[in-house]
Amino acid sequence: GAVVSQHPSRVICKSGTSVKIECRSLDFQATTMFWYRQFPKKSLMLMATSNEGSKATYEQGVEKDKFLINHASLTLSTLTVTSAHPEDSSFYICSAPTGTSNTEAFFGQGTRLTVV
Amino acid sequence: GESVGLHLPTLSVQEGDNSIINCAYSNSASDYFIWYKQESGKGPQFIIDIRSNMDKRQGQRVTVLLNKTVKHLSLQIAATQPGDSAVYFCAENRVTGGGNKLTFGTGTQLKVEL
Repeated sequence: GAVVSQHPSRVICKSGTSVKIECRSLDFQATTMFWYRQFPKKSLMLMATSNEGSKATYEQGVEKDKFLINHASLTLSTLTVTSAHPEDSSFYICSAPTGTSNTEAFFGQGTRLTVV
Repeated sequence: GESVGLHLPTLSVQEGDNSIINCAYSNSASDYFIWYKQESGKGPQFIIDIRSNMDKRQGQRVTVLLNKTVKHLSLQIAATQPGDSAVYFCAENRVTGGGNKLTFGTGTQLKVEL
C-alpha cells in the first residue's frame, strides 16, 4: 500500500518553543492531508484539513495560530505547534488519502510530543 | 451531536477464538465505514471497509457487518492471534462541505490471552 512518513516520531521541547512535524506521502501525491490529535487511551480527533496550495481548514475549537499548517507541495504537509505548553503534549498523526474517498487514507506513524 | 461510539472499551479473548468488536453510530449520512487497528505508539492501520449500501464484507480472517436499521457496525476476527492485540477503531467517512472526513469511534482494546 501507499506510504505516509511522519517525522519526527518523538520530540521533547521546552515550554514556549515551537515544534514542526512533517508528513510526507512517499509514493503518491496528496492534495489533501489530515492532521489528528490523540490523547492517551482516546480516539483520534481531527484537527484540520491541509490543502495543497491553499489555507488549511480547521475544525471547530482548534486554534489556527497555535497549530500552523503548511502544505507547500503535493507530498509534504507540516504542522507547527507554536509556543508549546505542557497541555499541547499529545500524539499527533497525519493521514493522506490516495483516492477520492478516505477509505484509501493512509496514516503516518505518529509523533509523540512532550512539552516540558 | 452526531458521533461514532463503541460499546466495550476492552475485550479479552483466548488465542484461537473469534473476536467480535462492536460499534454504534448515530449519523446515517455516511458513505463508508472503516475499521482501523492501532498498535501502541503507531498510527492507525487500515483493516477493512464497507460501503453503506452493503451489509457484509469479508477479508482475510476479518468480516465487517453493517446493520443500518440499528446503526450498528461490527468487526469479526477469526482465529484471533497474539498479533491481533491492539486498539480497534471504527470510523465513518462523510462527505461534507470541507470534503471527505473521517470521524473515529472511541476504540476497543483487544487483548489476546495465550
